[in-house]
Amino acid sequence: GAGVSQTPSNKVTEKGKYVELRCDPISGHTALYWYRQSLGQGPEFLIYFQGTGAADDSGLPNDRFFAVRPEGSVSTLKIQRTERGDSAVYLCASSDYNRGLGGELFFGEGSRLTVL
Amino acid sequence: ELKVEQNPLFLSMQEGKNYTIYCNYSTTSDRLYWYRQDPGKSLESLFVLLSNGAVKQEGRLMASLDTKARLSTLHITAAVHDLSATYFCAVQETSGSRLTFGEGTQLTVNP
Repeated sequence: GAGVSQTPSNKVTEKGKYVELRCDPISGHTALYWYRQSLGQGPEFLIYFQGTGAADDSGLPNDRFFAVRPEGSVSTLKIQRTERGDSAVYLCASSDYNRGLGGELFFGEGSRLTVL
Repeated sequence: ELKVEQNPLFLSMQEGKNYTIYCNYSTTSDRLYWYRQDPGKSLESLFVLLSNGAVKQEGRLMASLDTKARLSTLHITAAVHDLSATYFCAVQETSGSRLTFGEGTQLTVNP
């Protein structure tokens, strides 16, 4: 597609439920990033994929959070046993990562998660 | 751990005035990004600065990078209302690929 696509745009769930958020990156971009943004704050890094593998998952806050990218394109962020503190906008970005060419990140519109 | 600090965090200015937003970071890096975010929207890439002394300009905005001082600036010239938004700087460590963002500077340009 023309840009990074994220679904759903809004998700309201109850505490303790399981949630999946999907990201479809820009076609051909090998790098994919997940960030979380709380109101009034800067985006906080969660995980970064290069191809199918997680190159850096050090930002995942705990083992309730997991992300996959099985075919090197679409990625799913999975949150188990959601807590009210998980409420935030989850941003996905992709990049044609190459240090010599800039490799800027292009962000999607985000998925707003509200845990009641 | 890389820390990125922006100042000011809030900036209210009149149309036609000039101002500078500062971005300091704590470790070695040669890649710095500026993004704009409108309320309820995602992040729009403004500038990519890839080396010491890099300067880029787009319209009323100009960004620069001093890697020795670990400082980037975003200069606003003759501000207009349409520039009202939150501006983030983000630093990419030389050894990895994650971006670490500052807290953002919320800019309001008043008529």
